[in-house]
Amino acid sequence: DAKTTQPPSMDCAEGRAANLPCNHSTISGNEYVYWYRQIHSQGPQYIIHGLKNNETNEMASLIITEDRKSSTLILPHATLRDTAVYYCIVRVAGNNDMRFGAGTRLTVKP
Amino acid sequence: NAGVTQTPKFQVLKTGQSMTLQCAQDMNHEYMSWYRQDPGMGLRLIHYSVGAGITDQGEVPNGYNVSRSTTEDFPLRLLSAAPSQTSVYFCASTSSVGSSEQYFGPGTRLTVT
Repeated sequence: DAKTTQPPSMDCAEGRAANLPCNHSTISGNEYVYWYRQIHSQGPQYIIHGLKNNETNEMASLIITEDRKSSTLILPHATLRDTAVYYCIVRVAGNNDMRFGAGTRLTVKP
Repeated sequence: NAGVTQTPKFQVLKTGQSMTLQCAQDMNHEYMSWYRQDPGMGLRLIHYSVGAGITDQGEVPNGYNVSRSTTEDFPLRLLSAAPSQTSVYFCASTSSVGSSEQYFGPGTRLTVT
């Protein structure tokens, strides 16, 4: 699976959009981009995933660049409860081995 | 649906002791796995199972054993605990191999002295 690079930490004001970047320049054609988050040492929680098209669900939007070498997770209206570590993971569909890096610690401030 | 449950929540062991961390899911999921998370780091895969009777090693399997006699349960055994195994352990399950979403349990915080 391709390696991912994320900033170690980010801040966001409550109510504003949080944009979390992820670099995956060695991604191959059959690898998906997944996002999970971990709130205060709880078990990780699935957010969203995509292959090459932008995706949106009730939690977030995922924007993948045309060359697929990077992506951005967008939380449209961040709340204090969105404070967590966010993990960007690249893996082949059919492979359940989730390789978690250090992630980005997002702090939403009032 | 209780989802994925883990017991105990906390455990302290002395070096050399053995114990079993329990994991159960009530979603009839085929795939189950164990991860460990060391302070300030991401999760690393220990062992996984794609169905009852089938297990395989992940990234960091040494010092751990698993078995999968039923779909619901996937216990993790520490054979002879070492301080390096001090960590938080998470169990996860998903409905099938390659499914998009993995469900994680609340974790077991293990300290080995």
